[in-house]
Amino acid sequence: ETGVTQSPTHLIKTRGQQVTLRCSSQSGHNTVSWYQQALGQGPQFIFQYYREEENGRGNFPPRFSGLQFPNYSSELNVNALELDDSALYLCASSYNAQGNYGYTFGSGTRLTVV
Amino acid sequence: QQQVKQSPQSLIVQKGGISIINCAYENTAFDYFPWYQQFPGKGPALLIAIRPDVSEKKEGRFTISFNKSAKQFSLHIMDSQPGDSATYFCAASKPGGYQKVTFGTGTKLQVIP
Repeated sequence: ETGVTQSPTHLIKTRGQQVTLRCSSQSGHNTVSWYQQALGQGPQFIFQYYREEENGRGNFPPRFSGLQFPNYSSELNVNALELDDSALYLCASSYNAQGNYGYTFGSGTRLTVV
Repeated sequence: QQQVKQSPQSLIVQKGGISIINCAYENTAFDYFPWYQQFPGKGPALLIAIRPDVSEKKEGRFTISFNKSAKQFSLHIMDSQPGDSATYFCAASKPGGYQKVTFGTGTKLQVIP
């Protein structure tokens, strides 16, 4: 059973650019959630994808968008990058969208915006 | 609005001692309270979780105590080991159309030999 894998592990982008982060969910998991973790803080919920549709969103602007594919893998896209977007981006998968069974997190993508 | 408050921010415990981390929540709709352990450069890993119909849950050296009336819960790590040195996050989620987990701000635990 494989866990959650994310790519790339590290990324440096310039303010105003666009970035795409990728995530493969754990085998058997059909729901993917994305979190942003600023340095020294707890993860903040960005959004969740279930059956290829966004079915929940936190307090993040529309320039944060995503996709989920038929194999349950997912992408996080961020447009018009700002310096404050520098953070660890975590992907988490779970058994379903509604049940509280706990997440399996990936190791994250460290994004630095300069 | 911070819905899950966690303390202390950092904790130093001697090997063999008891580590205690406390959390308080505001939203009574929360019905699932997990604890996550995070090592540097890694994502959080689910450690132990509890639901509000239980006052205590123990798994090995880790115990969650839950006080529903006070809206507080805590993690106890018995016989703390240097390998337990990590950042610990309490969290909470509520039932609904999607699972959004609200995390505390984290406690950096250092267990010294």
